[in-house]
Amino acid sequence: DGGITQSPKYLFRKEGQNVTLSCEQNLNHDAMYWYRQDPGQGLRLIYYSQIVNDFQKGDIAEGYSVSREKKESFPLTVTSAQKNPTAFYLCASSNTPQETQYFGPGTRLLVL
Amino acid sequence: LAKTTQPISMDSYEGQEVNITCSHNNIATNDYITWYQQFPSQGPRFIIQGYKTKVTNEVASLFIPADRKSSTLSLPRVSLSDTAVYYCLVGDISKTDSSYKLIFGSGTRLLVRP
Repeated sequence: DGGITQSPKYLFRKEGQNVTLSCEQNLNHDAMYWYRQDPGQGLRLIYYSQIVNDFQKGDIAEGYSVSREKKESFPLTVTSAQKNPTAFYLCASSNTPQETQYFGPGTRLLVL
Repeated sequence: LAKTTQPISMDSYEGQEVNITCSHNNIATNDYITWYQQFPSQGPRFIIQGYKTKVTNEVASLFIPADRKSSTLSLPRVSLSDTAVYYCLVGDISKTDSSYKLIFGSGTRLLVRP
């Protein structure tokens, strides 16, 4: 059963806390992406990685960090520096940056 | 920055054909045009992709004129379950590191009425 998985489905963050969102893919894709979506809005790119051990900032990287130590995994950490983290977070992967992106089911992050 | 422009919303009725047009004036020579569908609280789902002329699959058709500055997604005989947001995407190459990424616009909210 191939695809992209994200966990958890819902995540609650306390003030000043760092939280990490998981994204795993078994599609053997080189490129992976993290997007943020606010209610009623489109997707905004946070970080992307075109190859293992390399990643680039997207349009809204401040307050977030990522790592790409393995081809199949691209975790996103929402740090305490992100003052408005409540949103729907989507992970995607593609065979190459120019090819179709396939999305995971998303993680909804809420602040307590 | 390469970007797309779509209507914010569209209304239709069950059984009708729906055409959503996207403008992408700055599309690069090697860019494909991709359309996604998104339901609330779900990840976007790939619908169709094309480079020029016409592409058709079991879900939709994509019409691209010769100048490639726009594209039209055509959904035949829509049903209530086609109510969703539809995104048109083209690529962009970063000026800082030449990396390539797709750009999501604001999307078109399609409402299908009974």
